[in-house]
Amino acid sequence: EAQVTQNPRYLITVTGKKLTVTCSQNMNHEYMSWYRQDPGLGLRQIYYSMNVEVTDKGDVPEGYKVSRKEKRNFPLILESPSPNQTSLYFCASRRQYQETQYFGPGTRLLVL
Amino acid sequence: LAKTTQPISMDSYEGQEVNITCSHNNIATNDYITWYQQFPSQGPRFIIQGYKTKVTNEVASLFIPADRKSSTLSLPRVSLSDTAVYYCLVGDTDLNTGGFKTIFGAGTRLFVKA
Repeated sequence: EAQVTQNPRYLITVTGKKLTVTCSQNMNHEYMSWYRQDPGLGLRQIYYSMNVEVTDKGDVPEGYKVSRKEKRNFPLILESPSPNQTSLYFCASRRQYQETQYFGPGTRLLVL
Repeated sequence: LAKTTQPISMDSYEGQEVNITCSHNNIATNDYITWYQQFPSQGPRFIIQGYKTKVTNEVASLFIPADRKSSTLSLPRVSLSDTAVYYCLVGDTDLNTGGFKTIFGAGTRLFVKA
């Protein structure tokens, strides 16, 4: 089944404790992206990647890092999480010349 | 990246047809128009995509006038399960950098009543 998977689905952590949220897609898509969604602010793009080893900032990249060492994986790294990074995070992927994105199920993060 | 404007919310009753209009005055020549549906705590799900005139699939129709400065998503005979947020997106390529930036607007919150 074609899908985007994220892990973990739920995470509670404390300020400053590094964490990684994994994202994997099995559709051989070139493009992958991370979003955060907060009440009243909609979906905002954090980082995106156009292919392996090619990443760029979205609208809200501060406090986040990403890497794209393999085509299928695009982990989101929070080196020193802060409470303002408490949010619902979505990973998405799509083919290079198509505009339809496929979203993962989301990761709900709470930073205390 | 073309900015989009949609109504914040809409109410409807089961069985009615719902039309949600999106304005995108700065749409570029090669931009497609894509609509997504999102239920609470789930990722957005692709509904329909079009470039001009009319596109229809098993769940919706998309009407795009000749000037392409707006588009209308039409949901026939809505049910309670169609209660969701609907997003209109136009293009996603930053023509300056070639990058893949996506801007989701606030979307339209559709509430279907019994």
